[in-house]
Amino acid sequence: NAGVMQNPRHLVRRRGQEARLRCSPMKGHSHVYWYRQLPEEGLKFMVYLQKENIIDESGMPKERFSAEFPKEGPSILRIQQVVRGDSAAYFCASSPRDVQGAGGYTFGSGTRLTVV
Amino acid sequence: DQQVKQNSPSLSVQEGRISILNCDYTNSMFDYFLWYKKYPAEGPTFLISISSIKDKNEDGRFTVFLNKSAKHLSLHIVPSQPGDSAVYFCAAIDGATNKLIFGTGTLLAVQP
Repeated sequence: NAGVMQNPRHLVRRRGQEARLRCSPMKGHSHVYWYRQLPEEGLKFMVYLQKENIIDESGMPKERFSAEFPKEGPSILRIQQVVRGDSAAYFCASSPRDVQGAGGYTFGSGTRLTVV
Repeated sequence: DQQVKQNSPSLSVQEGRISILNCDYTNSMFDYFLWYKKYPAEGPTFLISISSIKDKNEDGRFTVFLNKSAKHLSLHIVPSQPGDSAVYFCAAIDGATNKLIFGTGTLLAVQP
């Protein structure tokens, strides 16, 4: 009965490289959300996905960031040409369709991205 | 535009006393509210929730109060224990979008 699985837990990238963050939702959950926590800040919504569909990407930076949730496999958050300001903790969460009935989202442990 | 606000970045309480964490929101379309607890290097974990049709929900040592007219909710922890020391996030669900909107968090320190 695994929860939301994120990997890697820690990721170090040099400026200009690509970062790929993976998230496997809880079994039975069809909705995936990505949040970012910058140092000394709260959790900021980035994107909401269902299988093969982006539902809401209003929190995604316009450039360099993309997300997908393919029919098979985990959800991927991709950051191209990383910069120091991308250093943050990235959390994935999942939920069933009835978010309120489920008591909200279930979060993974996060991926801490450090850009050097 | 911070729709969910936690104005106290930190709170220190003695073990055994009551901890009160506050949260304000601006969007009257929010219909479900939650509190999450977060330890360092871990993801947030769900603590307690309340529907907008209720004004109180209790679960053991944790009680959440909702004042819709004031757009305010609070989390009461009594008695507080050192293991309660963590960051507490207030969150609201926008029923139209399924999106969970978080406050900036309050760091609770329970002193033994």
